[in-house]
Amino acid sequence: EAEVAQSPRYKITEKSQAVAFWCDPISGHATLYWYRQILGQGPELLVQFQDESVVDDSQLPKDRFSAERLKGVDSTLKIQPAELGDSAMYLCASSDRDREGTEAFFGQGTRLTVV
Amino acid sequence: GQNIDQPTEMTATEGAIVQINCTYQTSGFNGLFWYQQHAGEAPTFLSYNVLDGLEEKGRFSSFLSRSKGYSYLLLKELQMKDSASYLCAVSRVYKLSFGAGTTVTVRA
Repeated sequence: EAEVAQSPRYKITEKSQAVAFWCDPISGHATLYWYRQILGQGPELLVQFQDESVVDDSQLPKDRFSAERLKGVDSTLKIQPAELGDSAMYLCASSDRDREGTEAFFGQGTRLTVV
Repeated sequence: GQNIDQPTEMTATEGAIVQINCTYQTSGFNGLFWYQQHAGEAPTFLSYNVLDGLEEKGRFSSFLSRSKGYSYLLLKELQMKDSASYLCAVSRVYKLSFGAGTTVTVRA
């Protein structure tokens, strides 16, 4: 069964260090989302791609966060420098752009702890 | 933007029925999703409503009223494994925005 792959599953980093997360969506899915989920809250959209283009990054803290999807397939989310408040689960999801109403499929997420 | 509101927590007994309400205010509304999320895991899809009315899928049903900006998820014959967070998500122009989630605890 096709699934969204994310790595690493867990990451511990010191504040002020750089950290990167990788996501490989389901094959053929043009839409890719990065969400941040703080414990006890719902997922918050950070950035949305359609193929290789960013269509929404209004909630992305651009002074420290960056995201790319160069070939319109896999994607990388980077934080530099990491801050204590960045500790959260980072979820990647993908969906089939051409079918409105199809669900977004989520990866297992990367649990980030900044110390 | 959009506001999505759902209760924080609900507790129910095994075998009972629980209804989780979700209200939303948004422009360009396309449809509403419900996801289930067990602790430490990724959200998984439960249902999608685009038209007014009730969609039934086994023990789970979801209702939508577009004019009222209201949806609910109905969980019947509760089982211990249904203890999880239930997320209401509004879809507009392929953008998916989530509520804070409702934590449901099922007691024996």
